[in-house]
Amino acid sequence: KAGVTQTPRYLIKTRGQQVTLSCSPISGHRSVSWYQQTPGQGLQFLFEYFSETQRNKGNFPGRFSGRQFSNSRSEMNVSTLELGDSALYLCASSLDRGSETQYFGPGTRLLVL
Amino acid sequence: QQPVQSPQAVILREGEDAVINCSSSKALYSVHWYRQKHGEAPVFLMILLKGGEQKGHEKISASFNEKKQQSSLYLTASQLSYSGTYFCGTERRGTSYGKLTFGQGTILTVHP
Repeated sequence: KAGVTQTPRYLIKTRGQQVTLSCSPISGHRSVSWYQQTPGQGLQFLFEYFSETQRNKGNFPGRFSGRQFSNSRSEMNVSTLELGDSALYLCASSLDRGSETQYFGPGTRLLVL
Repeated sequence: QQPVQSPQAVILREGEDAVINCSSSKALYSVHWYRQKHGEAPVFLMILLKGGEQKGHEKISASFNEKKQQSSLYLTASQLSYSGTYFCGTERRGTSYGKLTFGQGTILTVHP
């Protein structure tokens, strides 16, 4: 079974631009969570989607948004990029919600200049 | 609130044992353990659920003390491949169901 895939793998943007990251979960998985990883803040939860609905949201500004499609694929969008948004963005999928193993994708490394 | 991991770093020689702890000030429903190597995605190791159920690798052992809200990961007879950063992710019930809050990580280095 194919693992979680994320595209693109690397991205360079400038301040003020917006970016859309994509995540394809493992086949059959219905829950997708997004995390931001930085050296200073570590792994931080962004949001969780299940059945096309956002079920949980972390403490990030409204510039960070996401959605999930009927095939469970998910996208996250960051508008008006700031230098501090430079990070590794990880997507994780699980079969169902809660207490389920989350399988992480390779991540998208975003650099904001 | 972020769980606290200890120690922050540990250095071992092959064959030695190590214990990594994860403590939370909040009541937990489950604790998830992951290992991440440099430049790679976190890899699942173990889930410990309230009530004693465990799911994970056969060669990894862990415990979850519900009274203390503390989990420990036991790495025995360490191998070079064990090197990496270990994260615990904690899950609470209620509105936080399905959300993992990760600790700051423990860097494990195994030398020949």
